[in-house]
Amino acid sequence: DAGVIQSPRHEVTEMGQEVTLRCKPISGHNSLFWYRQTMMRGLELLIYFNNNVPIDDSGMPEDRFSAKMPNASFSTLKIQPSEPRDSAVYFCASSLVPRLTWTSGRDLPDTQYFGPGTRLTVL
Amino acid sequence: QKEVEQNSGPLSVPEGAIASLNCTYSDRGSQSFFWYRQYSGKSPELIMFIYSNGDKEDGRFTAQLNKASQYVSLLIRDSQPSDSATYLCAVRATGRRALTFGSGTRLQVQP
Repeated sequence: DAGVIQSPRHEVTEMGQEVTLRCKPISGHNSLFWYRQTMMRGLELLIYFNNNVPIDDSGMPEDRFSAKMPNASFSTLKIQPSEPRDSAVYFCASSLVPRLTWTSGRDLPDTQYFGPGTRLTVL
Repeated sequence: QKEVEQNSGPLSVPEGAIASLNCTYSDRGSQSFFWYRQYSGKSPELIMFIYSNGDKEDGRFTAQLNKASQYVSLLIRDSQPSDSATYLCAVRATGRRALTFGSGTRLQVQP
């Protein structure tokens, strides 16, 4: 299994430019998460998809950020326009939420697997 | 108050000793608790998870959960220099799939 794949691994851009980060989750996983990690704020959730549908976007900072998941094997996180404060490592993670969670109402745990991350620097 | 709190460290232990990492959380509705290890410049990798009160052992690692005290810990027995990393505690509330992470504890195992 290739694991979660993210691209690019490094991105350096200038303030005001559009940035698109890409993620391919582990095949068969039904949940996808975008996290951001900075020294000041640690690792924090941006948005979470289940079966390609955005479920929780409470962590998306503002309208400059948008995320899509057009199919089960691909997601993008876009920042437009980018600002220096967006500089961080952006991680994508995926998991398989047990079907029994949805059918039984039981809150069964799932394991999130992280991709290698994209280090974004906005100058 | 942060939702998930960890001592940032560094926690320094000699090789072969037991390292004890602690985490407290504020949401009593939290159901699942995870420990991730993150090497510098790398992504977090899961060590283990726990969701029932008590201890859970996996090799050299033991997770301990006390929901009444809102406290979760990770013990690493026979610590090795390769265990030197930042350990992230993560908590998941009922009905919420996303994880809330602590800021991490940096562990240094001295040879």
